[in-house]
Amino acid sequence: NAGVMQNPRHLVRRRGQEARLRCSPMKGHSHVYWYRQLPEEGLKFMVYLQKENIIDESGMPKERFSAEFPKEGPSILRIQQVVRGDSAAYFCASSPQGGTRSGNTIYFGEGSWLTVV
Amino acid sequence: GESVGLHLPTLSVQEGDNSIINCAYSNSASDYFIWYKQESGKGPQFIIDIRSNMDKRQGQRVTVLLNKTVKHLSLQIAATQPGDSAVYFCAENSLEYGNKLVFGAGTILRVKS
Repeated sequence: NAGVMQNPRHLVRRRGQEARLRCSPMKGHSHVYWYRQLPEEGLKFMVYLQKENIIDESGMPKERFSAEFPKEGPSILRIQQVVRGDSAAYFCASSPQGGTRSGNTIYFGEGSWLTVV
Repeated sequence: GESVGLHLPTLSVQEGDNSIINCAYSNSASDYFIWYKQESGKGPQFIIDIRSNMDKRQGQRVTVLLNKTVKHLSLQIAATQPGDSAVYFCAENSLEYGNKLVFGAGTILRVKS
């Protein structure tokens, strides 16, 4: 029973390049969440998606960041023109249909560590 | 604003002792709470959750207590083991937040052998 799968686990990008982080939710889960964690800080919500829909992107920076969860394939978090401040751990989580408001728990993947040099 | 505060404490306990990790949350409307454990280089791992219609919930070696009056949550770990060393986060959810969780900054638990 595979959990939330994220790749790559570690990614190094030069300033100005693009970073793409992928997330496959747990089997049977239709809700995906992306969180960002800076060193020695808590997790900050970025975006919440269902298949082909962005439900809540209130935590996403207005520029350079985008996310999608297509009908087929993993969810993608895309960061364009990366800067050093984008260096962080990016965690994906998933939950079953209905999310936490329907009594479901959110489960996290192992994260993707982005380093911008 | 949205915040769940752990004020970055570090808790050091002797192996075999009980640990108590505290969390103050700010949103009185929050009705669902989760404790996560995060080991170095890994993702948050679900430990236990509790809804606001309960004051206490027990799992294997862990107990979560909820005091809605003072907006306080605690995680008790019985007979703490070296493998319990990690950062512990509490997270809250409310109708206002939709399906997302709001996390605190974390507490570092160090278990001394």
